[in-house]
Amino acid sequence: EDKVVQSPLSLVVHEGDTVTLNCSYEVTNFRSLLWYKQEKKAPTFLFMLTSSGIEKKSGRLSSILDKKELSSILNITATQTGDSAIYLCAVWSNSGYALNFGKGTSLLVTP
Amino acid sequence: DVKVTQSSRYLVKRTGEKVFLECVQDMDHENMFWYRQDPGLGLRLIYFSYDVKMKEKGDIPEGYSVSREKKERFSLILESASTNQTSMYLCASSPRGYGYTFGSGTRLTVV
Repeated sequence: EDKVVQSPLSLVVHEGDTVTLNCSYEVTNFRSLLWYKQEKKAPTFLFMLTSSGIEKKSGRLSSILDKKELSSILNITATQTGDSAIYLCAVWSNSGYALNFGKGTSLLVTP
Repeated sequence: DVKVTQSSRYLVKRTGEKVFLECVQDMDHENMFWYRQDPGLGLRLIYFSYDVKMKEKGDIPEGYSVSREKKERFSLILESASTNQTSMYLCASSPRGYGYTFGSGTRLTVV
């Protein structure tokens, strides 16, 4: 059975800190790994990582895929209160029609 | 931009009522999905559809059914609402193998 595990489940940091969120996966025929950010409502897309694109960066956010360790990290530098959200990791396999989601990491950034 | 529209943001229904949640996407995506999201449990797949009139059970289909008569519309039906179906319901669409675009979600309360 495919599995996606995120850690930690929740995290509280101070503004300006750097955080690292983890995602590990066990899927058959891995295709891609996606990160989403969810504030009050719908998740919004952050990054997609594949075998041919293992590192992505956008502003203070960056993500790396480690194909050997079957895992990914999402880094947020110089955190701001607006980064407070649930961060979701999800994996596509070639044999599946649906994304397999982890339970998410709830991040709270305090002033 | 792809838009996924869910008909209601908030809904309150009585136990035993038949409930329809509607989802419409405007980008001709093949795949559409219904998830529910609960604290501590993450996103759980209820049903998905990869073509008109095609539907597949997800991880938690009991108590739900779906309808996809047109490519752009995917409806989730609660045949007889129960209090344990109180949840946030998220609809998503995607081309196969790519990231989802989510709707804004429907927070359903069954009393």
